[in-house]
Amino acid sequence: GAGVSQTPSNKVTEKGKYVELRCDPISGHTALYWYRQSLGQGPEFLIYFQGTGAADDSGLPNDRFFAVRPEGSVSTLKIQRTERGDSAVYLCASSYDRAGELFFGEGSRLTVL
Amino acid sequence: AQKVTQAQTEISVVEKEDVTLDCVYETRDTTYYLFWYKQPPSGELVFLIRRNSFDEQNEISGRYSWNFQKSTSSFNFTITASQVVDSAVYFCALSEWRSSYKLIFGSGTRLLVRP
Repeated sequence: GAGVSQTPSNKVTEKGKYVELRCDPISGHTALYWYRQSLGQGPEFLIYFQGTGAADDSGLPNDRFFAVRPEGSVSTLKIQRTERGDSAVYLCASSYDRAGELFFGEGSRLTVL
Repeated sequence: AQKVTQAQTEISVVEKEDVTLDCVYETRDTTYYLFWYKQPPSGELVFLIRRNSFDEQNEISGRYSWNFQKSTSSFNFTITASQVVDSAVYFCALSEWRSSYKLIFGSGTRLLVRP
């Protein structure tokens, strides 16, 4: 497909479990971003990748959250020991350059019971 | 500190009415970027516009227009002759030059256009 693809679209898990969310950006986009959107709120920045490296991970809430992009394309957001407060929609976006238009995926809705 | 305020939580209009969505921002930088995104029920944010802080010219794109006023730190968005398909949540966002990759979003305005 031509757009940003995120899987799974929905994930329900139990408190304490480990979760992985995947993002497949638009081909050729070197910049990749993760945002988190809670109900009724705007998206909040989590992490920015330029190529394979995390250029800014200042938005990750704590050390339970980690993201990788080993080959500079697909990225995985990993959440350890999930808590109910982690429930949100996790949005991935990609862009051609760091200040350009962001193309967002439809998000992965995470529910922690 | 950077902040974006969208005071209107929800707006309801009848089709063909004009509607303006307000956005007020705060930043200490002199170089920054302002954005509007649309989020339909599918959840995917759709880019509408980006303006840089040196370009205060108003912009029109079809039924959409944007009014950027540095004096009041506002970047308002007007939809003329609204249509049912315009129903969505609209987000205003800010990024600063040094961290232009990081968008700071407002809390959004939900627009409902009734037939």
